[in-house]
Amino acid sequence: DQQVKQNSPSLSVQEGRISILNCDYTNSMFDYFLWYKKYPAEGPTFLISISSIKDKNEDGRFTVFLNKSAKHLSLHIVPSQPGDSAVYFCAASELSSNSGYALNFGKGTSLLVTP
Amino acid sequence: DAGVIQSPRHEVTEMGQEVTLRCKPISGHDYLFWYRQTMMRGLELLIYFNNNVPIDDSGMPEDRFSAKMPNASFSTLKIQPSEPRDSAVYFCASSSLTGYIQYFGAGTRLSVL
Repeated sequence: DQQVKQNSPSLSVQEGRISILNCDYTNSMFDYFLWYKKYPAEGPTFLISISSIKDKNEDGRFTVFLNKSAKHLSLHIVPSQPGDSAVYFCAASELSSNSGYALNFGKGTSLLVTP
Repeated sequence: DAGVIQSPRHEVTEMGQEVTLRCKPISGHDYLFWYRQTMMRGLELLIYFNNNVPIDDSGMPEDRFSAKMPNASFSTLKIQPSEPRDSAVYFCASSSLTGYIQYFGAGTRLSVL
């Protein structure tokens, strides 16, 4: 069963505008969330993370928002650039469990930023 | 550091053959993970190791799959015998004891004909 869901397989945004990627999860025990970016023929690379004790984390153009009550997180990219075109994966872990370091991934959202 | 290194990058084999995928984690990392990516199931964790010891192999699909980590700098994922449904991209990742971020290799694209 998929515990982390990214319901939008793809998203197209114009350069300079905001990109918003969404992620939902079902396991209320998840306490750490990450976003990874993946280019074709490469492995996923870490982008930004957030602990469940926070509701926002910002790093340059990237901001992740966490809504625990809704079991929802989102990644905002402002402004979007053509180089941001990639597949974005949402991931979650339950650090307090015995398998705390294991990541549960969503299926990804393919972002296309057009000039 | 060169990052996580996987070999081969591509593997094409025939059904029934043995396949061995290799991974060298980042030096000093304590955790090593094997993932498989398919269109149907996305990125799924197969097994992970802590200090060379398998911790959780519940994601290994069946007995045809086995993984070893004989030392801190090397791990293998073996499929014997391979089947067409094993065709996927296999990723290896590593992380440190104090960090929750996993660093991924470039992956091995496996095609079983």
